Amino acid sequence: DQQVKQNSPSLSVQEGRISILNCDYTNSMFDYFLWYKKYPAEGPTFLISISSIKDKNEDGRFTVFLNKSAKHLSLHIVPSQPGDSAVYFCAARPPQGATSGSRLTFGEGTQLTVNP
Amino acid sequence: NAGVTQTPKFQVLKTGQSMTLQCAQDMNHEYMSWYRQDPGMGLRLIHYSVGAGITDQGEVPNGYNVSRSTTEDFPLRLLSAAPSQTSVYFCASSPLVRPYTEAFFGQGTRLTVV
Repeated sequence: DQQVKQNSPSLSVQEGRISILNCDYTNSMFDYFLWYKKYPAEGPTFLISISSIKDKNEDGRFTVFLNKSAKHLSLHIVPSQPGDSAVYFCAARPPQGATSGSRLTFGEGTQLTVNP
Repeated sequence: NAGVTQTPKFQVLKTGQSMTLQCAQDMNHEYMSWYRQDPGMGLRLIHYSVGAGITDQGEVPNGYNVSRSTTEDFPLRLLSAAPSQTSVYFCASSPLVRPYTEAFFGQGTRLTVV
């Protein structure tokens, strides 16, 4: 049962254009959502997050939108740069608990390629 | 500031061998976890710990053991390696006291079982 899904394995955009990466989830208990970026041979690095009480969070060129009724979130990168080329993982977490900790459920990832 | 450190970076094992993947963090985080990354499957949780002496199973725990004797260290043991355990393994840590905080990942261990 894949609770977090990224349906696009890959996305290619031109430098300067907008990149939109999508993520769907099924578990309505998730209350915190994160995006991670991963370069080859490196660990995932945190990019941006959003809690379920918000519908938008912005950090520079990166904006995450959350649509709770549709159980959908998206990451917008504007403008896209060649250095943004990486695998992007969407992750979700239920309310943090003393025994459950910070369990993250990840999507499959989307390979973003930004062409110069 | 080291963050999360994993060793080794690469390892080749023969089927049936055992080994321990090391993970250490210097951020005094209570929560630590192990994930494996396989093509097309994202990162899947193997085991996690909410503090020293406390561990629990994640999504794919079979064939792996963990222990947490200190806050800093969270080793992952492969009891009898199988080709299906060929993967990239990531250790992560995060604080529990701040509810909306990201997890920090190590650089990964690429394991091949032949």
